[in-house]
Amino acid sequence: KAGVTQTPRYLIKTRGQQVTLSCSPISGHRSVSWYQQTPGQGLQFLFEYFSETQRNKGNFPGRFSGRQFSNSRSEMNVSTLELGDSALYLCASSSTPTNYGYTFGSGTRLTVV
Amino acid sequence: KQEVTQIPAALSVPEGENLVLNCSFTDSAIYNLQWFRQDPGKGLTSLLLIQSSQREQTSGRLNASLDKSSGRSTLYIAASQPGDSATYLCAVLRSNTGKLIFGQGTTLQVKP
Repeated sequence: KAGVTQTPRYLIKTRGQQVTLSCSPISGHRSVSWYQQTPGQGLQFLFEYFSETQRNKGNFPGRFSGRQFSNSRSEMNVSTLELGDSALYLCASSSTPTNYGYTFGSGTRLTVV
Repeated sequence: KQEVTQIPAALSVPEGENLVLNCSFTDSAIYNLQWFRQDPGKGLTSLLLIQSSQREQTSGRLNASLDKSSGRSTLYIAASQPGDSATYLCAVLRSNTGKLIFGQGTTLQVKP
C-alpha cells in the first residue's frame, strides 16, 4: 500500500515568487492536512480538506491557500514568498482521523532566498 | 487553548537503557493522542495511536499510556538501541477536522 506522496522533495525559490506543493494521500483517505515545520515554531497546522472542502484553517496569512481534488489529491500554494516561509511542509492523510490517526508524507523542503 | 508540552527537550542515554518520554496537554477534551518519530530532515512516522477511551497501547519495545484526567501521556522505550535516536513528537486531536496540536518534541540520542 503506497504511503503519502509529496512532490517535489526540495524547492528553492526567490522572494516574491509563488510556489505550489502537491500531496497524494493514501488510497481511500479523504482527509488531507498540511503542516509547516520550522525550528523556531515547531509543527503548525495550515489547513485540512475533506472531500474537496476546507474544514479547518490555521492561523496563517491569506498568502497560504490550498485545494483538494475529487481524487483526494491536494495542493497548497504560497504566493509572494517571504524568507520566513522557508520550512519543511508536511502533508498527512487519514480515512477517519478520530479513529485511525494520521499518516504523514516525507515533506517538501522549501528554501526562499 | 490546547497546549502540548514535552519534557525533556533532549535526552542522551547509553544503549540498553529503558526510558520514558513525557507529554502533557492542557485540555482533556481530545479524540486521541498520537506519538510520532522524526529522523533529521524527514517526515513523521506514526508509532502509536491511543484513543481517548484507552489507557495504553503497545508495539514491540514501545508502550504508550494515556491519562486524560491528568492531561498526561508517556512513551516508554524498552532496551533502547542506537537506531532509536530521533526526535519523538506527541500530538493531540481535539476536533474531527484534522488539526493535530503538537508538542515541541524530545530529541533522543542513544549512544552505543
